[in-house]
Amino acid sequence: AQSVTQLDSHVSVSEGTPVLLRCNYSSSYSPSLFWYVQHPNKGLQLLLKYTSAATLVKGINGFEAEFKKSETSFHLTKPSAHMSDAAEYFCVVSDLMGLIGSQGNLIFGKGTKLSVKP
Amino acid sequence: GAVVSQHPSRVICKSGTSVKIECRSLDFQATTMFWYRQFPKQSLMLMATSNEGSKATYEQGVEKDKFLINHASLTLSTLTVTSAHPEDSSFYICSAERGKETQYFGPGTRLLVL
Repeated sequence: AQSVTQLDSHVSVSEGTPVLLRCNYSSSYSPSLFWYVQHPNKGLQLLLKYTSAATLVKGINGFEAEFKKSETSFHLTKPSAHMSDAAEYFCVVSDLMGLIGSQGNLIFGKGTKLSVKP
Repeated sequence: GAVVSQHPSRVICKSGTSVKIECRSLDFQATTMFWYRQFPKQSLMLMATSNEGSKATYEQGVEKDKFLINHASLTLSTLTVTSAHPEDSSFYICSAERGKETQYFGPGTRLLVL
């Protein structure tokens, strides 16, 4: 069975410093992995996704994530935080990708709240 | 990009009443839509998969008679919380699948049952 663990419930950084949001997963299949961001009072937005192509995935707003199979990790990084990055971030694994070609059911981590200090 | 709307965004109701939440894909057709529930400080939990023209598939532990799902068209799925109770108070989010690519999420509906 698939599962996702986000290791930090809250991360606080200063503006201009690097961001690291950690995510570990377990999967019986070759997983598809995603990072979503949720700003207050807004819907979830896809940041990036890994679907067995390049292990370093670049997303929107300067974020990127690296799929490391040996470590079962998919950490999200950004070189320099911006105030607008303050939001909640969810690491997600899909449990049906590759079987029926659909994203299918998404299994969410508990989320990491990112705070950015001026 | 693709847009998914939810209505209402916020609803307060009395215990025992029913509440209907709509999820619409505004600029694409979605054969499959998903309904999630988010408890405070917890992750999103999939409640059910809604397929246009057929019965919804519910996750284990989700009461299908309590959470009625209707996917009447390729752009609309509805979730009805029947005989709502305070423990049903939560944040409900839908997503719509565009082709076999990506899910697009609605902004969510916050339900408060008094």
